[in-house]
Amino acid sequence: QSVLTQPPSVSGAPGQRVTISCTGSSSNIGAGYDVHWYQQLPGTAPKLLIYGNINRPSGVPDRFSGSRSGTSASLAISGLQAEDEADYYCQSYDSSLSGSVFGTGTKVTVL
Amino acid sequence: EVQLVESGEGLVQPGGSLRLSCAASGFTFSSYAMHWVRQAPGKGLEYVSAISSNGGNTYYADSVKGRFTISRDNSKNTLYLQMGSLRAEDMAVYYCARGPYSSGPFDYWGQGTLVTVSS
Repeated sequence: QSVLTQPPSVSGAPGQRVTISCTGSSSNIGAGYDVHWYQQLPGTAPKLLIYGNINRPSGVPDRFSGSRSGTSASLAISGLQAEDEADYYCQSYDSSLSGSVFGTGTKVTVL
Repeated sequence: EVQLVESGEGLVQPGGSLRLSCAASGFTFSSYAMHWVRQAPGKGLEYVSAISSNGGNTYYADSVKGRFTISRDNSKNTLYLQMGSLRAEDMAVYYCARGPYSSGPFDYWGQGTLVTVSS
């Protein structure tokens, strides 16, 4: 069982804005460890989407944005597009485990 | 261009062993920590193991500790995962990934290789 909790699914119409939460605790996000986000399109390997809470790698559209506050982090997708339909995972470091952890994952559906 | 290519896919009986490899190219392999992440069929990502750039430090998730061994050969630009005492719950696609030793992010991933554990 993961120590980072995400909603199983979120959905939105094309053009809408959706947000995905990643809830942790005082041993991971709350301790100040960075949160990173990955996008996994069907049948493919995960791809880094957001790093260091708010930063986008080169080539990632600015429709994707990240934030962190307290023991939680969020990924927002604005101007939702059909190609954004995928699974999304948060990831951070957990001091009680002394290693990285992934969130439970969220499936984004474009209606 | 950074490339990570896993190999070693196979069907193994419970209790058996298997070694996965991850061939790296397009970057200075010896300068980067490397990781293994797995994904059981229809499930989420699970962090498995890490190794520092020179191989001097390793980390294992509790679920594989004592059964799996991560290693690397910097002269061959290759990462390994030796898996032993395999269980049904180890069945997954295994990905290798590049990133800082402790906390990520994992900026490049391989395509994954499937490990099937079944009698």
